[in-house]
Amino acid sequence: QKEVEQNSGPLSVPEGAIASLNCTYSDRVSQSFFWYRQYSGKSPELIMSIYSNGDKEDGRFTAQLNKASQYVSLLIRDSQPSDSATYLCAVNRMDSSYKLIFGSGTRLLVRP
Amino acid sequence: EAGVVQSPRYKIIEKKQPVAFWCNPISGHNTLYWYLQNLGQGPELLIRYENEEAVDDSQLPKDRFSAERLKGVDSTLKIQPAELGDSAVYLCASSKGTSGLNEQFFGPGTRLTVL
Repeated sequence: QKEVEQNSGPLSVPEGAIASLNCTYSDRVSQSFFWYRQYSGKSPELIMSIYSNGDKEDGRFTAQLNKASQYVSLLIRDSQPSDSATYLCAVNRMDSSYKLIFGSGTRLLVRP
Repeated sequence: EAGVVQSPRYKIIEKKQPVAFWCNPISGHNTLYWYLQNLGQGPELLIRYENEEAVDDSQLPKDRFSAERLKGVDSTLKIQPAELGDSAVYLCASSKGTSGLNEQFFGPGTRLTVL
């Protein structure tokens, strides 16, 4: 079992819809969670971080964390074609390694 | 504020040749990371520096890879000799502090092709 799991997709949604991206993690000591967006041929760009259970909103993006279920998600409201990218979920343990563990990413396609 | 700077952006070499990558982190960021990203995968940590000290190099293949961060700012990652399987994108990232709550910001990466 991978430490951070994401559906590879592609997840296809129409323009203006809500895109829901999901991520599960296996290590219960994980305490901080990040969503990165990666366009083809580009490097990962940080878009959201979340540390506490519940929702965190930033513009069109909402991150949701449920530590009991070991589940973190990213909602993108009013999806735009420019949101088409791969979204990487990353999890950081709170042990001495502070290692960021990435999932393989979910590819999102927003249809005009 | 300038982001993480990396060079070169692309490198093509023959197998068994040496190669070096350079990284300049965001000003004020004490922690620097080198990651490797293969196609279709997430980045994987190679080494983490806190200032000039390598505090986690457990994933660095030390027979052929080496890294340094002199004066706790710029860093260089070297491969000698390169193998076909080293073809990947090498990413540098930096963060302000050393706790797991610190956000990491990536540079543009160096795409290495080994022929």
